Amino acid sequence: AQSVTQPDIHITVSEGASLELRCNYSYGATPYLFWYVQSPGQGLQLLLKYFSGDTLVQGIKGFEAEFKRSQSSFNLRKPSVHWSDAAEYFCAVERGSQGNLIFGKGTKLSVKP
Amino acid sequence: DGGITQSPKYLFRKEGQNVTLSCEQNLNHDAMYWYRQDPGQGLRLIYYSQIVNDFQKGDIAEGYSVSREKKESFPLTVTSAQKNPTAFYLCASSMAEYTEAFFGQGTRLTVV
Repeated sequence: AQSVTQPDIHITVSEGASLELRCNYSYGATPYLFWYVQSPGQGLQLLLKYFSGDTLVQGIKGFEAEFKRSQSSFNLRKPSVHWSDAAEYFCAVERGSQGNLIFGKGTKLSVKP
Repeated sequence: DGGITQSPKYLFRKEGQNVTLSCEQNLNHDAMYWYRQDPGQGLRLIYYSQIVNDFQKGDIAEGYSVSREKKESFPLTVTSAQKNPTAFYLCASSMAEYTEAFFGQGTRLTVV
């Protein structure tokens, strides 16, 4: 069965430090992968997506993610975290259309001053 | 401005009552989706619709119903058969199969 796993429920980093959020997926075919961000009580905003081609994808707000087929992973990275990055981050895999998604359970990011 | 509007933002209902959550989009998108979000559970798909007058069950459709009479609107009814209706509900839409989905701001439903 298709699934997405985000191993880290909560991560705290210092402002200015680098960030990596982990995502592993289980999917039979070539996956279409997404990272979304959610501020408290708000909807989701797309950070970036991977369909094919270059395995390193750039997104908004300085985020990037790398697709590694051999590891079934799609980890999200940012070189220097800002306090405004504090939010919850969701990894997702598409099944049939870009709105029909299987989501991971999310990773909450806290940023220390 | 184009977007997805969910209303109301907060909704309170007594146990045993049906309640309808509104979702309207002016993006001219063909497909619309309803997700439920519970703390620590991520988002789970309730129903989706690719075209007007047609919709499919998602992963957790029991206790919910939808309609798609207009392209712009995809209301979700939480029925009394839904055992744990208190949750955050998110609506989304997308143009077609290969385009980005946009999410509304959500409705927080509390059943007391």
